[in-house]
Amino acid sequence: DTAVSQTPKYLVTQMGNDKSIKCEQNLGHDTMYWYKQDSKKFLKIMFSYNNKELIINETVPNRFSPKSPDKAHLNLHINSLELGDSAVYFCASSQVRLAGGKQYFGPGTRLTVT
Amino acid sequence: GQQLNQSPQSMFIQEGEDVSMNCTSSSIFNTWLWYKQDPGEGPVLLIALYKAGELTSNGRLTAQFGITRKDSFLNISASIPSDVGIYFCAGGTSGSRLTFGEGTQLTVNP
Repeated sequence: DTAVSQTPKYLVTQMGNDKSIKCEQNLGHDTMYWYKQDSKKFLKIMFSYNNKELIINETVPNRFSPKSPDKAHLNLHINSLELGDSAVYFCASSQVRLAGGKQYFGPGTRLTVT
Repeated sequence: GQQLNQSPQSMFIQEGEDVSMNCTSSSIFNTWLWYKQDPGEGPVLLIALYKAGELTSNGRLTAQFGITRKDSFLNISASIPSDVGIYFCAGGTSGSRLTFGEGTQLTVNP
């Protein structure tokens, strides 16, 4: 039983392409997140949605657009991919009514832009 | 924004040794969480702490929420090879945001 799942696991694409990463959680949580982990392993928050509403929107290029069709899904679309977008992207979820609530992570999507 | 200083950045130890790592901040947190990330996987929650001074164990792992609310430590006793990975601390305030430390890379030599 996968709690937080992401597809695809690996994504190799060329500069300038548009790609999407999908995330689904079956934990019944009301909040979902996207993180970027760079080569130095630092985890940087990008976006967060609570019940389909955007609540965290860090300083990321507007080529990145999250979409939450329902509270169990949060997808990440990236336009005009650049070399610097290469990283591992993690989806996570939590139940926000618990202040500073535990976040549960997906397995990650390794994006390589060539 | 809030920042967490996690140390050490890396550790190389022998199997059976005890390990200690910590996180400090200039800001107060209401929650401290510790995660472990294995290669090619996502971070997995190990321990969650919710009260200043709280000491919580999970098997060979013990973590404490500092009295000042600005720090936390994680101890691993009698390390084994499968303890290898990156350990992250994370501090939470109100709401849903977590601030992550930069990670401690642990290597255990058999």
